[in-house]
Parts: sequence; C-alpha cells; structure tokens
Amino acid sequence: KNEVEQSPQNLTAQEGEFITINCSYSVGISALHWLQQHPGGGIVSLFMLSSGKKKHGRLIATINIQEKHSSLHITASHPRDSAVYICAVRSGGNTDKLIFGTGTRLQVFP
Amino acid sequence: GAGVSQTPSNKVTEKGKYVELRCDPISGHTALYWYRQSLGQGPEFLIYFQGTGAADDSGLPNDRFFAVRPEGSVSTLKIQRTERGDSAVYLCASSLISYNEQFFGPGTRLTVL
Repeated sequence: KNEVEQSPQNLTAQEGEFITINCSYSVGISALHWLQQHPGGGIVSLFMLSSGKKKHGRLIATINIQEKHSSLHITASHPRDSAVYICAVRSGGNTDKLIFGTGTRLQVFP
Repeated sequence: GAGVSQTPSNKVTEKGKYVELRCDPISGHTALYWYRQSLGQGPEFLIYFQGTGAADDSGLPNDRFFAVRPEGSVSTLKIQRTERGDSAVYLCASSLISYNEQFFGPGTRLTVL
C-alpha cells in the first residue's frame, strides 16, 4: 500500500462544477503540499499546509491531521483547471524529503 | 525573475553510457531537490541539498547515481552505466530555505535505449 493515496485517479467535470480531490496518508507528517502538473510536465506548487485551511482564488485546501486526510477543492471549475493534481507529504523527522501520491487527472469540459 | 532551469530538456543515450543532468536553481535559493518521475506516476524523491551538502540522499536508487552542488548553486545529477530502467523525467526544484514552498524546473526527459 502506498504511503500517500489519492482519489479519484481520474475525474471529469463540466465547467462550473465544484471539484474535490482527496489525499490520505499513512505516515506522520510535518506538512502537506498540493501541486499542479500540466501536460508537458511543468509542476506548480499550489499550497503547503500543516493544519487547517488555505484559500487562493478558486482553490481551497484543507487538512485534518488526526484523520490523516487532506482535500483540494476547486470552485467554479474551468477548462484551464484541467491538469494532474498531486499530493505530497513531508514525513516527520529531520528531513525535507517529500513522498508523493500518484496524482489525480482532472478534465474540465466546457 | 528567472525560474528553475534544467538542461538538457531531452537526453537520449545508450545503455551503459554516462550522463549528466544540470539544474540551475532560482538565484538565492539555498535548498535544491532532485526527483524522478516515471510515466503515469507521481514524482519520486532522490536527494536534496541544503547549501553545498546533501541533507538527505536516501532516495538515490543505487551507487550509479550521484549528485553534487559544489558552490551551493548549480547542481549536477550524474548517472553511470545507464540502464533502460533509468528512463524517466528528472525534475529539479529549489526553495529559499528547506521546509518551504518548492519551485520546480521543466525537467529533463532521459531515454536510455
């Protein structure tokens, strides 16, 4: 079993829909990252969080440390949101090593 | 300002050859990370540097892989005796300091024939 699991693996939506992507992890962590990867490979950091909730534009990330679970929400989805969304955790201990999930492929249709 | 750059963008080599992949981090960033991403998978950690020293190299798969960052800026990932299984996109990221947001480069696609 992977230490970081994402669901769903693939997601399709109509423009305007509310999107939720989930990330569960089995290790103790000190922080969790949400990343976006567009076709062609470029990765952009969306959020880094260790507790609570963060919001940036139409994106919201939440984390529940006790339940070892995080969600990424996209409100009013748009075709340009189509990408792979990757969850990565920084495990506890004296290292900045990240453990990545396999990603969720999102396609938003007009 | 300039982001993280990686060269070459594509590298095709033959099994058994030696390759070097270069990463130029954002100026002033003290932490630098190397990852490997196989098709359809999430990135996999290889090594990270804080300054000139490797802070954690636990992700390097075997002793054919080595990375350096001699002046605390540019880093080179070196792979000896390449194998077909080394084919992947090699990603570099940098951060102002460790334990902060990471900025990723475009990657180097390595193909070992």
